[in-house]
Amino acid sequence: GAGVSQSPRYKVAKRGQDVALRCDPISGHVSLFWYQQALGQGPEFLTYFQNEAQLDKSGLPSDRFFAERPEGSVSTLKIQRTQQEDSAVYLCASRLQGAYGYTFGSGTRLTVV
Amino acid sequence: QKEVEQDPGPLSVPEGAIVSLNCTYSNSAFQYFMWYRQYSRKGPELLMYTYSSGNKEDGRFTAQVDKSSKYISLFIRDSQPSDSATYLCAGAETSGSRLTFGEGTQLTVNP
Repeated sequence: GAGVSQSPRYKVAKRGQDVALRCDPISGHVSLFWYQQALGQGPEFLTYFQNEAQLDKSGLPSDRFFAERPEGSVSTLKIQRTQQEDSAVYLCASRLQGAYGYTFGSGTRLTVV
Repeated sequence: QKEVEQDPGPLSVPEGAIVSLNCTYSNSAFQYFMWYRQYSRKGPELLMYTYSSGNKEDGRFTAQVDKSSKYISLFIRDSQPSDSATYLCAGAETSGSRLTFGEGTQLTVNP
């Protein structure tokens, strides 16, 4: 597709449930980022991949958060034992090597009840 | 203190007004500065991209960066109702590194 695709668009999880959020970046985009956006706030960095290598995971808030990109294209952000404070929009962005800026997906809105 | 500070607004202006949006930042290593526009329930969309200090113009939009004062601005001329959105400023140390965002300014342009 022409843009960054994220699924599901909306996810409601019961506290303690595990969730998996998927990102399909633009074909050929080497760099992939995950951000967390709380209501009324700017996006906060979570983690960064270059191809299949996770080069920076310093923004992951706890060891309940895990991300992977095994073949250097699709990425999955997994949150184990979800908590209410995990409720946010999770944004994925990708970038072509040498290009300006990043293209964001529309995000997955996670609500933990 | 956040690395990028931005007045969240909300800001409400009449159609045709000139809009000025501003951010300050504290990370001296930032070399690249961006403005993103985010409509409700959508992802951020890149508006302007600037390297180091200076001005950049694109249609009705002008981005300014003053690295000496660590100040970033976006000007919108002849604002339109379709400009109503949240505007996010961001800084990055390199062209490929992670972005650090401000909290966003919510803008409404009234017809």
